[in-house]
Amino acid sequence: QVQLVESGGGVVQPGRSLRLSCAASGFIFSNYGIHWVRQAPGKGLEWVASIWHDGSNKNYADSVRGRFIISRDNSKKTVYMKMNSLRIEDAGIYYCARGHEVGNSLDYWGQGTLVTVSS
Amino acid sequence: QSVLTQPPSASGTPGQRVTVSCSGSSSNIADNTVNWYQHLPGTAPKLLIHSDNQRPSGVPARFSGSKSGTSASLAISGLQSEDEADYYCASWDDSLDGYVFGTGTKVTVL
Repeated sequence: QVQLVESGGGVVQPGRSLRLSCAASGFIFSNYGIHWVRQAPGKGLEWVASIWHDGSNKNYADSVRGRFIISRDNSKKTVYMKMNSLRIEDAGIYYCARGHEVGNSLDYWGQGTLVTVSS
Repeated sequence: QSVLTQPPSASGTPGQRVTVSCSGSSSNIADNTVNWYQHLPGTAPKLLIHSDNQRPSGVPARFSGSKSGTSASLAISGLQSEDEADYYCASWDDSLDGYVFGTGTKVTVL
């Protein structure tokens, strides 16, 4: 069965960096794009970034462009997101999700990893 | 400040029909498909509707989606207690070159 497992969350000070990982199993990883979506405390879902199946194209939300970097290693079936210059408003639960070309939908999601940004 | 606008809340009694609206623009809903997600806080969001009106395998038939112009709607017929959750519309936005979620609607079963 399709599984996505996030890791790497934790407590970090403003201005510091953190790298999240999304490990996939149960499907042909190299055929699918992967997205990161976050939810700040008490807020709604916010799309953060996405990467194509082969890593050739990456897209970012305006709120993170220039600070976050998405990448993937198809040999390890893992997507990464390096988060630099973290801000208080970057705190929340970060989910990775599989992108499906049908309807450009996110059809499977992980359980999320919590990022806390605090001094 | 999402570009897709939803009402903050909706409610109904068991068995009733509830609709959730999603208002967008020519750069997102009008030119791209709409997807709907169900989310219980603390759990993984679930894809409910894709491609405007298609239900993935396993999603009950009481959930349906529609789209017209720059707006879309999710309908829940025969509301059940387990449908109490947050619902989000989403679409690709050509101007932003990114995926956008709606502001979210909390559905309460009275």
